[in-house]
Amino acid sequence: DIQMTQSPSFLSASVGERVTLSCKASQNINKYLDWYQQKLGEAPKLLIYNTNNLHTGIPSRFSGSGSGTDYTLTISSLQPEDVATYFCLQRNSWPLTFGSGTKLEIK
Amino acid sequence: QVQLKETGPGLVQPTQTLSITCTVSGFSLTSYYMQWVRQTPGKGLEWMGFIRSGGSTEYNSEFKSRLSISRDTSKNQVFLKMNSLKTEDTGVYYCARDPITTPFDYWGQGVMVTVSS
Repeated sequence: DIQMTQSPSFLSASVGERVTLSCKASQNINKYLDWYQQKLGEAPKLLIYNTNNLHTGIPSRFSGSGSGTDYTLTISSLQPEDVATYFCLQRNSWPLTFGSGTKLEIK
Repeated sequence: QVQLKETGPGLVQPTQTLSITCTVSGFSLTSYYMQWVRQTPGKGLEWMGFIRSGGSTEYNSEFKSRLSISRDTSKNQVFLKMNSLKTEDTGVYYCARDPITTPFDYWGQGVMVTVSS
């Protein structure tokens, strides 16, 4: 199984700050990497799919990049409503596997 | 609009069978894959398996021996059944729509399942 490692586990940043979250795969996942946002008590919500494709309705301050084993989610200007846990998901091969998440809070 | 809603028993005894129904509206099960994902305190988010638009299934090998996914297209329902439950299976179970082109684009609210005697 492909292991997905997210870092950091916890991040505190200020409103307006640029934030970068990392996801590393244990092997090449050919850009089949998605990012989800989960707010407390809610289901995960798709933000980015296939590394850098912004899902419908997602603000443009969210962007994704990466290749091979290393992927990044960037929030260009952190907003209070971005407080959540962010998960990556690889869909390159079965079983699909999620990262353990980065919990993002406002400083 | 697209909606998904999971319903389930809430509390299940160890060794018993879990049955969850995902009722959908706003789209056809014959046009989309339907995925099952769970979130447990011990392992976080775990992909369980899916049923294709044509009705065939794929499972995570971790669950394969005890997991079954099926559907009733006439009722717009997808079913998850998992037997031999353990306390570690306690968690929130989600169904999600998968258009293939954009993965897991809509999720249900999730249903909390507690495995305890």
